[in-house]
Amino acid sequence: NAGVTQTPKFQVLKTGQSMTLQCAQDMNHEYMSWYRQDPGMGLRLIHYSVGAGITDQGEVPNGYNVSRSTTEDFPLRLLSAAPSQTSVYFCASSSLSGYEAFFGQGTRLTVV
Amino acid sequence: GDSVTQMEGPVTLSEEAFLTINCTYTATGYPSLFWYVQYPGEGLQLLLKATKADDKGSNKGFEATYRKETTSFHLEKGSVQVSDSAVYFCALSERNFGNEKLTFGTGTRLTIIP
Repeated sequence: NAGVTQTPKFQVLKTGQSMTLQCAQDMNHEYMSWYRQDPGMGLRLIHYSVGAGITDQGEVPNGYNVSRSTTEDFPLRLLSAAPSQTSVYFCASSSLSGYEAFFGQGTRLTVV
Repeated sequence: GDSVTQMEGPVTLSEEAFLTINCTYTATGYPSLFWYVQYPGEGLQLLLKATKADDKGSNKGFEATYRKETTSFHLEKGSVQVSDSAVYFCALSERNFGNEKLTFGTGTRLTIIP
């Protein structure tokens, strides 16, 4: 059982470049979320989705776009990377009827 | 808005010592409370949860009690092991199910020395 799979695990970008962080889950969960983890700040919610075709902003959405065309996938797009987006990014999914959020292993992104 | 305040780290303890990591919260309603653990190089895993006042969550020897009167959810373990070394996050959700919006504390890094 793969759970939540994130790719890539590591990425270095130059300022202004764009990229997409991939997230896929195989648990048929309705809810998916993206968080960023920064030292001394815990995890902060970027965007989330309650189902295919439905997304909404979290606490720190600026500079990021998301879409949810299928239940399984929830990609996070950086349109023009900035050094302030250097962080570790986690994708999570959860069931409409469950308590637990399942997390991927994370993507460590460095913007230079 | 919702917030979680967590004991600052890092915390270093000897094996078999007693552990307490403090967590307090602010929420408008009646949130569910969680402790997540992050082992090196991995994502977060749910350690334990409590969904209403006076509930006690427990797992792997860890316990935490939902205290509405003090808005707290402190994590405790009677005898820690080297394998407990990790980062621990306290978190809350405004709903009981489908936790797509978790609010996290800053995390506490725990190191256990033999």
